[in-house]
Amino acid sequence: GAGVSQTPSNKVTEKGKYVELRCDPISGHTALYWYRQSLGQGPEFLIYFQGTGAADDSGLPNDRFFAVRPEGSVSTLKIQRTERGDSAVYLCASSLTPAGVDTGELFFGEGSRLTVL
Amino acid sequence: RKEVEQDPGPFNVPEGATVAFNCTYSNSASQSFFWYRQDCRKEPKLLMSVYSSGNEDGRFTAQLNRASQYISLLIRDSKLSDSATYLCVVNGAAGNKLTFGGGTRVLVKP
Repeated sequence: GAGVSQTPSNKVTEKGKYVELRCDPISGHTALYWYRQSLGQGPEFLIYFQGTGAADDSGLPNDRFFAVRPEGSVSTLKIQRTERGDSAVYLCASSLTPAGVDTGELFFGEGSRLTVL
Repeated sequence: RKEVEQDPGPFNVPEGATVAFNCTYSNSASQSFFWYRQDCRKEPKLLMSVYSSGNEDGRFTAQLNRASQYISLLIRDSKLSDSATYLCVVNGAAGNKLTFGGGTRVLVKP
């Protein structure tokens, strides 16, 4: 497809389980971002990739959260030992280049809604 | 203090009226500013960039006040379809990420 694709769209899991969320960015976009959005809040920055490397992971809340982008395209956000407080919509966005940040052109996927019971 | 703060609203606006709201940011070194729009249960989408001299895009006008560290959005002749959450976005201290405010909810009513 032409846009950012995220799977799964919905994920229900039990506390303590491991979860993977996938993001397929727009073809050719080198920059990829993960955000987390709780109900009634704005998106909260988690991590930013430029190519294969994590250029800024300052938003990851703790070491249970990890993200990879091994070939510079698809990214996976991994959450270990999930907690109820991890419940949120996880948004992925891509931009053509890091300069895309300065132009505000982040293209978001529809998000993965995670519910931890 | 949050990096980017917004009045959550909701702003209840009669159709055809004008509504304006602000967003404050804490990092005086920020260089880039934007408004994004987010419809209910949808992803955010870029509405417009905010330039130092202020800028218009149809019925939407954005202003930047660096001295007081706030940006504003004004919507003229509101339409029912303008009902959404408007997210103020500022580039962060590191320059590589965009920091979002909590959003201002606007409800346009007939």
